[in-house]
Amino acid sequence: EDQVTQSPEALRLQEGESSSLNCSYTVSGLRGLFWYRQDPGKGPEFLFTLYSAGEEKEKERLKATLTKKESFLHITAPKPEDSATYLCAVNSGTYKYIFGTGTRLKVLA
Amino acid sequence: EAQVTQNPRYLITVTGKKLTVTCSQNMNHEYMSWYRQDPGLGLRQIYYSMNVEVTDKGDVPEGYKVSRKEKRNFPLILESPSPNQTSLYFCASSPTIDRKKETQYFGPGTRLLVL
Repeated sequence: EDQVTQSPEALRLQEGESSSLNCSYTVSGLRGLFWYRQDPGKGPEFLFTLYSAGEEKEKERLKATLTKKESFLHITAPKPEDSATYLCAVNSGTYKYIFGTGTRLKVLA
Repeated sequence: EAQVTQNPRYLITVTGKKLTVTCSQNMNHEYMSWYRQDPGLGLRQIYYSMNVEVTDKGDVPEGYKVSRKEKRNFPLILESPSPNQTSLYFCASSPTIDRKKETQYFGPGTRLLVL
């Protein structure tokens, strides 16, 4: 059964304190792994798609990496505006999406 | 402005009273999908549609119906709502199902309370 597990559930960082969020997955035939950001009361906002082990994508202070079993979202020198819930999802060959339960990030000024 | 819209945004109803949540996108996207989001369970896919007249079940389809008669619209129908369908619902669309081109854009959400 396809499954996505995110850790930690919640993370508090001081402004400027870099860290990483983890997304481990089991899926039969990975088409893509997706990262989203969700602010309270809003719909998820697309960040990255990764397709192959070894692939990396960057956007401002965020960098996503992918291995055959997990993905990491690295946050470098975070700012308070980076506070949000970060969601990971995978897409298998059936065109279904499986989401993890997310990591709630709080960056303190 | 390119967007996914949902209506209503908030809805309180009673058990058994049929309701429809509308979803519309103005980006000519092929793929559309419905999710529900519950605390501790995350986002779970209800139904998805790869194009007009093509729909399929996600992980939690029981109690829901969908239709895709036009490319831009993908309504979610609850024929006999029950309290366990109280949730936050999101509609999403993606330009294509082609690998390396799919990107889901989410609507603002519909908060449903079934009494």
